[in-house]
Amino acid sequence: DIQMTQYPSSLSASVGDRVTITCRASQSISIHLNWYQQKPGKAPKLLIYGASSLQSGVPSRFSGSGSGTDFTLTISSLQPEDFATYYCHQSFGALTWTFGQGTKVESK
Amino acid sequence: EVQLVESGGDLVQPGGSLRLSCAASGFSFSNYWMTWVRQAPGKGLEWVANIKGDGSEEYYADSVKGRFAISRDNAKKSLFLQMNSLRADDTAVYYCAKIQYPQPHIDYWGQGTLVTVSS
Repeated sequence: DIQMTQYPSSLSASVGDRVTITCRASQSISIHLNWYQQKPGKAPKLLIYGASSLQSGVPSRFSGSGSGTDFTLTISSLQPEDFATYYCHQSFGALTWTFGQGTKVESK
Repeated sequence: EVQLVESGGDLVQPGGSLRLSCAASGFSFSNYWMTWVRQAPGKGLEWVANIKGDGSEEYYADSVKGRFAISRDNAKKSLFLQMNSLRADDTAVYYCAKIQYPQPHIDYWGQGTLVTVSS
């Protein structure tokens, strides 16, 4: 099975900061990597699919990059509504999926 | 508007069974792969199972293989998760979700239903 290592597990940032979250796959997953945002008590929300494609309606301050084993989610200028937990998700390989452990973005 | 509404979550004893349902609307249900994802209290997301649009293919996480079964009724636009031999570590919110292609991803999620396994 493909394992996903996501880091950091948490970070503290201020409004306006540039935030970067990393996800590493245990083997190449091409660009089959998605990013979700989850707020407490709510279902996750898709931000990025196919490593770098922005989901419709998602602000352009969110961007994704990477291919193979190393991927990054970047928030160019953190907004108050962006404090949440973020998960990467690999969708490669015979439809047996895995999520990263999550990154909680907190206010500094 | 796409809507996914789960039901069936409950308190069940270890070793017991439970069947979750998900009612879908707002899209051509039979044309899409569907998935169940769960989240234990205070923990991260865990993929559970996927099923093809026509029901001909199913895939499971190792943690539930042999105990859980995903199925669907396309005429009723419904997705199901039959859970047997439940254990305490199956306690979680279970989300029904729709899979979109290309580069498969989950584009819509239900609100989740809570399953608690405890004596």
